[in-house]
Amino acid sequence: AQSVTQLGSHVSVSEGALVLLRCNYSSSVPPYLFWYVQYPNQGLQLLLKYTSAATLVKGINGFEAEFKKSETSFHLTKPSAHMSDAAEYFCAVSYIIQGAQKLVFGQGTRLTINP
Amino acid sequence: GAGVSQTPSNKVTEKGKYVELRCDPISGHTALYWYRQSLGQGPEFLIYFQGTGAADDSGLPNDRFFAVRPEGSVSTLKIQRTERGDSAVYLCASSPQGLYTDTQYFGPGTRLTVL
Repeated sequence: AQSVTQLGSHVSVSEGALVLLRCNYSSSVPPYLFWYVQYPNQGLQLLLKYTSAATLVKGINGFEAEFKKSETSFHLTKPSAHMSDAAEYFCAVSYIIQGAQKLVFGQGTRLTINP
Repeated sequence: GAGVSQTPSNKVTEKGKYVELRCDPISGHTALYWYRQSLGQGPEFLIYFQGTGAADDSGLPNDRFFAVRPEGSVSTLKIQRTERGDSAVYLCASSPQGLYTDTQYFGPGTRLTVL
């Protein structure tokens, strides 16, 4: 079965510091992986996705993620945090079952930026 | 519209009442999904439509929940005899074809509170 684990329900960093949000997946088939961001009282917005092309994926707002098959990981990073990055971040794995795409989400990581 | 829209944004109801939640997907998207997001959790899959038909309703928690998409665009999630445990944010998403690599685009959600 497919599953996603996000290590750390809360992460706090200083403005300008490195952001690292961890995601590990379990999948019986080659995974397609997504990171979404959710701002307060808003829906989920796609940050980036991995679909078996380049293992280093660049997304919006300066975020990037690296797919590491040997570690079953897809960690999200940003070199320098900005106050506007404060939000909830979700990692998700996509798979097909009975012809239907399904997304399985992790429990989310709340990112706080300290001035 | 440009994105996925959901109405109402907030719904407060009493235990035992019937509610309907509406989703208007991105024009031309054939795949439509409903998710439920409880506090502090990632979205959980409820049901998937391909066109007018419910291709996968395995995530619906019980027979009090039902969804329709009669003309292949707008969808309505219906909850009968609401219970306090139904309180959550209900998210709708659409994607172009429901393919493995498709991006799902999310609406802002409907926050349902059952008193």
